Amino acid sequence: GDSVTQMEGPVTLSEEAFLTINCTYTATGYPSLFWYVQYPGEGLQLLLKATKADDKGSNKGFEATYRKETTSFHLEKGSVQVSDSAVYFCALMPQSGGGADGLTFGKGTHLIIQP
Amino acid sequence: GAVVSQHPSWVICKSGTSVKIECRSLDFQATTMFWYRQFPKQSLMLMATSNEGSKATYEQGVEKDKFLINHASLTLSTLTVTSAHPEDSSFYICSARVAGGVQYFGPGTRLTVT
Repeated sequence: GDSVTQMEGPVTLSEEAFLTINCTYTATGYPSLFWYVQYPGEGLQLLLKATKADDKGSNKGFEATYRKETTSFHLEKGSVQVSDSAVYFCALMPQSGGGADGLTFGKGTHLIIQP
Repeated sequence: GAVVSQHPSWVICKSGTSVKIECRSLDFQATTMFWYRQFPKQSLMLMATSNEGSKATYEQGVEKDKFLINHASLTLSTLTVTSAHPEDSSFYICSARVAGGVQYFGPGTRLTVT
């Protein structure tokens, strides 16, 4: 079945550091890929998405590129802030369901940014 | 943006009782909603797909008689945990799907069964 693997945290960085959170997936065809973020005490929020190979999703300074050849969707940000501290989830939606399927999530990466 | 609410946000119940959790899309209609379960420091696991006007589709291993799902309208889906036991204690999260396949998530409901 489909699966998502992402680096487990916690990941601790200093403010203004460069961030990479790795995410790889296993799925047939061309799934849609997502990054969701969960701030403390809040629900999941969509951060960015990509629906086809080589698409780049971006939002709030975060970027991720859909790499079919490496089945990856790594999340990056050039300069993190304390307010970026949260749990980040990589997720996929299978191509076959036409958007009607639930998401398969990675285990989440807890990011801690220190001032 | 699309807003999804859940009620209650936290509930404690005694073993053997039933608990109903509501999921509402506040500013849009959703023909499809999803229910997930999240264990502490774990990922979200899809439990079932809730379709307006039809029966829910359950994932393998999820007891449909224990987790009753009703999608009575285009803005409301409910999850009822029947005869709850301590092992049902968890964080339950719903989402609503919009065009393009993006899902918007509710804030979650923490269930504690004593």
